[in-house]
Amino acid sequence: EVQLVESGGGLVRPGGSLRLSCSASGFTFSSHSMSWVRQAPGKGLEWVSTCSTNSNYIYYGDSVKGRFTISRDNANKSLYLQMDSLRADDTAVYYCTRGPHYTYVWGSYFFDYWGQGALVTVSS
Amino acid sequence: DIQMTQSPSSLSASVGDRVTITCRASLGISNYLAWYQQKPGKVPKLLIYGASTLQSGVPSRFSGGGSGTDFTLTISSLQPEDVATYYCQKYNGDPPFTFGPGTKVDIK
Repeated sequence: EVQLVESGGGLVRPGGSLRLSCSASGFTFSSHSMSWVRQAPGKGLEWVSTCSTNSNYIYYGDSVKGRFTISRDNANKSLYLQMDSLRADDTAVYYCTRGPHYTYVWGSYFFDYWGQGALVTVSS
Repeated sequence: DIQMTQSPSSLSASVGDRVTITCRASLGISNYLAWYQQKPGKVPKLLIYGASTLQSGVPSRFSGGGSGTDFTLTISSLQPEDVATYYCQKYNGDPPFTFGPGTKVDIK
């Protein structure tokens, strides 16, 4: 069974930092791209960042570019999101998501499994 | 950046009704379009990818169509458990891999 478990969420002051982790199990982690998607309270889904299978291709949304860093550790089946210079509008539930197997159409980043989410609250 | 829009933003229909949601991309995206369902208080779930390929385990009353800039998600016979917000997403080409704003579906 595919499982994605986020950790590291919490309350942080504006300008502060936080690191989210996602522990994966139930599939060959190194064969799938991984991404973070967030959802502000009462709002829609926002794609945040994507990391390809071997970290050769990394993408960020404009709202987090230069402040957030995605990384992965295939040996430990883990995905990370380092969030710096946090702002109030970064407040959201952050979902760890799995992309399709690398043999699927190259460059395809839809999300077939989602974690339960980690709440990040940025407030003074 | 390619913008994704959805219509309507919300709808209310009766059980058994045929429901269609439209998603439009500001530029052509071939068939690189996914649909997600998010029930109230729950995690989003992938319904369709490749514009029309049903994800494993998704009921056959859901179907997707379209290519280029115009896409549809159809529920052939609305069920109470289909109450949710539905999002489209453009997932290939240059980032961002944008979601549409969502369509909220209720039972009348």
